[in-house]
Amino acid sequence: GNSVTQMEGPVTLSEEAFLTINCTYTATGYPSLFWYVQYPGEGLQLLLKATKADDKGSNKGFEATYRKETTSFHLEKGSVQVSDSAVYFCALSDRDTNAGKSTFGDGTTLTVKP
Amino acid sequence: NAGVTQTPKFQVLKTGQSMTLQCAQDMNHNSMYWYRQDPGMGLRLIYYSASEGTTDKGEVPNGYNVSRLNKREFSLRLESAAPSQTSVYFCASSSGVTGNEKLFFGSGTQLSVL
Repeated sequence: GNSVTQMEGPVTLSEEAFLTINCTYTATGYPSLFWYVQYPGEGLQLLLKATKADDKGSNKGFEATYRKETTSFHLEKGSVQVSDSAVYFCALSDRDTNAGKSTFGDGTTLTVKP
Repeated sequence: NAGVTQTPKFQVLKTGQSMTLQCAQDMNHNSMYWYRQDPGMGLRLIYYSASEGTTDKGEVPNGYNVSRLNKREFSLRLESAAPSQTSVYFCASSSGVTGNEKLFFGSGTQLSVL
């Protein structure tokens, strides 16, 4: 079956520090990959996505590259802000079913201190 | 734009009581989903509906039932609540055409079963 493994948190950084959150996946088919962000008290919202190998998704200074050879989709940001404090989820979507079912990692809590 | 609307936002039940969580989307999406979120376990799929008139089990369906009332609405029912069902529940939708589409989430229902 499909699975997503994220680096364990929580992660605490100072403002302007470099962020990496690791994500690796196992999939039976050729999945699409996503990063979602959840702010306190809210539902998840899409941060970025990539649908094929070597694609780079980017949004709000965050980036992630679909690496098929290492089955990874690591999230990076060069300079984090206090407002980036949230829970980040890596996910994959199984295209073969056409139902768009997504499998999520356990989430990584990021706290950015001023 | 309302997006995905869930009700209620909070609910406390006693063991054995029943309740229905309501979800509606106004984006004309084909696919709808119910997830539960537990600490350290990410999101797990309970049930999904790939299109109006169809429903299928996800990863953790035991103790739940669903109804896809029409294209807009997808409800989740707990017939006899148990403490193990204490969780945060999220409804989501997607156009679900190719499996590459992102999920749109509601703001969640925090359920406590005593």
